[in-house]
Amino acid sequence: GENVEQHPSTLSVQEGDSAVIKCTYSDSASNYFPWYKQELGKRPQLIIDIRSNVGEKKDQRIAVTLNKTAKHFSLHITETQPEDSAVYFCAARGKLIFGQGTTLQVKP
Amino acid sequence: KAGVTQTPRYLIKTRGQQVTLSCSPISGHRSVSWYQQTPGQGLQFLFEYFSETQRNKGNFPGRFSGRQFSNSRSEMNVSTLELGDSALYLCASSRWDNGGNTIYFGEGSWLTVV
Repeated sequence: GENVEQHPSTLSVQEGDSAVIKCTYSDSASNYFPWYKQELGKRPQLIIDIRSNVGEKKDQRIAVTLNKTAKHFSLHITETQPEDSAVYFCAARGKLIFGQGTTLQVKP
Repeated sequence: KAGVTQTPRYLIKTRGQQVTLSCSPISGHRSVSWYQQTPGQGLQFLFEYFSETQRNKGNFPGRFSGRQFSNSRSEMNVSTLELGDSALYLCASSRWDNGGNTIYFGEGSWLTVV
């Protein structure tokens, strides 16, 4: 069945450093790839998304890249801040299947 | 514009009982999907409905079921509850069930089975 693999499961960086989270999907029909941020006790919130006809998208400190041939996409956060600490989920839509999540800790 | 609304927010049930959770999508959204979230297990896809039809289903036992009404509101039901069903159940809505339609989550329903 469809699957989304997300790595790493935990990531710890120093404030100001960059963080990269990678996802691989299996369903070649997937055409939409959102990223969600979930803070403790709160709902997942969309932070950025990319459609299959685009290779890269940037929004301030956040960027997402997509390689459809390799079926993988990545989230890049630059100049990390303590408030970036949360769990991040990638997803791929055919069905909307989520990765297992990455707990990002930004140390001040 | 009101967001995705889920009720109840918190509930406690006993093993063997059944539970019904409700989700009202954002106005104009016709796709509703349900997820189970447990610590360390991420977001597990339960099912997705569009225009009252189940479009996709995850790998959950038949005790988990759902439906969608003509006004796009959706309910999910879990029968014969087990301790392992304790989780946060999240509902998400989008305008369509395919393509790059932004998906919005509700606050979730916290279910505890004792």
